[in-house]
Amino acid sequence: EAQVTQNPRYLITVTGKKLTVTCSQNMNHEYMSWYRQDPGLGLRQIYYSMNVEVTDKGDVPEGYKVSRKEKRNFPLILESPSPNQTSLYFCASSSDRIWTDRNTEAFFGQGTRLTVV
Amino acid sequence: GENVEQHPSTLSVQEGDSAVIKCTYSDSASNYFPWYKQELGKRPQLIIDIRSNVGEKKDQRIAVTLNKTAKHFSLHITETQPEDSAVYFCAARLWRAGSYQLTFGKGTKLSVIP
Repeated sequence: EAQVTQNPRYLITVTGKKLTVTCSQNMNHEYMSWYRQDPGLGLRQIYYSMNVEVTDKGDVPEGYKVSRKEKRNFPLILESPSPNQTSLYFCASSSDRIWTDRNTEAFFGQGTRLTVV
Repeated sequence: GENVEQHPSTLSVQEGDSAVIKCTYSDSASNYFPWYKQELGKRPQLIIDIRSNVGEKKDQRIAVTLNKTAKHFSLHITETQPEDSAVYFCAARLWRAGSYQLTFGKGTKLSVIP
C-alpha cells in the first residue's frame, strides 16, 4: 500500500530538548516536504527536498532542520524546541514529473501533534 | 515565492445547495493547482487538480476552473451532502530552475447543514 508514515503521532516535550520526527514514504517519490498546520494559518511549508542530499527552505524554516540521506526518509529535527513550535506537523511526498500523465498528487502522512511546554 | 489567497475562510450551505471556494495566486509561473480536503482529525487528501494548460475540470459533483489571466481558480461543489463538511485547501505549485514549491491557501471550513 502506497503511504507516507510519520512517527510519533503525538509528542509532548520540554523547551530545549532536541527531538526528531521521522517521515518515510514507499512510493519512490523524489519530492518530500514538511508543513506545519496552525488554526487560521493553513499549511505552511517548513522545508522541502527535491531529491537525495538536496533540501531547501520553505516559508517558515526558523528553528527546524532536515536531512535527506535516503530517498525514502525525510526527518524533521528540532534542535531546541520552543513553545511557539507547538503545532500539527505533516510530511508529504510526490512525484516531480508534472508534465506527464503520472499522478502528481501529494500524499500526506498521518500528522504529528507536537506540544512544547 | 508564491502567495495564495483563499476565500471565504468559513462557508455554511444547506444540503443540496452549491458551494464555491475561490483562490488567487501571485506568480504567473505557477502551473499546477490542486485542491485538498481535510476531514476532522485526518490528513489532507487530494480531491481534484488542474494544470495551467486546462481551463476547467470536472469529477462528478466537484469541478475546478482556472483563469490564468486573472490568476485565480475556484472549486465548485454541487448538490452538497453532509459528508462534504470539511476544511478545503487550495494550492499552487511554482516550478522554477529545476525546483518547485507547493504553497497552500489558509483553508475554508465548509459546513453542510442537513
